[in-house]
Amino acid sequence: QVQLVDSGGGVVQPGGSLRLSCTASGFTFSLYAMHWVRQAPGKGLEWVSSIIYDGSNKYYADSVKGRFTISRDNSKDTLYLHMDSLTAEDTAVYYCVRQAGGINWFDPWGQGALVTVSS
Amino acid sequence: DIQMTQSPSSLSASLGDRVVITCRASQGITNYLNWFQQKPGKAPKLLIYGASSLQSGVPSRFSGGGSGTEFTLTISSLQPEDYATYYCQQTYIKPITFGQGTRLDIK
Repeated sequence: QVQLVDSGGGVVQPGGSLRLSCTASGFTFSLYAMHWVRQAPGKGLEWVSSIIYDGSNKYYADSVKGRFTISRDNSKDTLYLHMDSLTAEDTAVYYCVRQAGGINWFDPWGQGALVTVSS
Repeated sequence: DIQMTQSPSSLSASLGDRVVITCRASQGITNYLNWFQQKPGKAPKLLIYGASSLQSGVPSRFSGGGSGTEFTLTISSLQPEDYATYYCQQTYIKPITFGQGTRLDIK
């Protein structure tokens, strides 16, 4: 079945770096744009970044621009999010999501990876 | 950026009730509007895409409507498994934005 598995979360000190991974299965990964969405504890959903099917175009929320880098390896069916200069405000569950259809709906979602920025 | 505003932010309803959640966009987004359900500790689940299309496997008691700037999510008869938080999302233009969420509780 179509599935996304998020990994790489953990505890990191302020100013530190972390890389999240998302491994896809059950569909042709190289045909789809992909996104990262995060959710701070007790808060709503915030779009973070997206990358088109071949990796040639990338987009970022203003809150992470210049600090986060999205990438993908279509030979490994894997999406990445490299996060630098982390602050407490980046503490959240990070979900990878597939974009589908002409209206650009988000489905499915990974199970989420918790990133905690704390000293 | 396009602001998405949901109303109400929370609501209490009883089993069998008809519930309507509204989502307003700060500018026109045609039908680039999706609805998600999220339960505690779980990833969001797509319910409605393109404002009114029911995602495969989602019960028919869920329906969506609207276009332009005003949208609705309707649950025709609340079931126990429907108590959750609901989010609208616009994918018309980046940055993609979500509504603040509507928490649906048992009355």
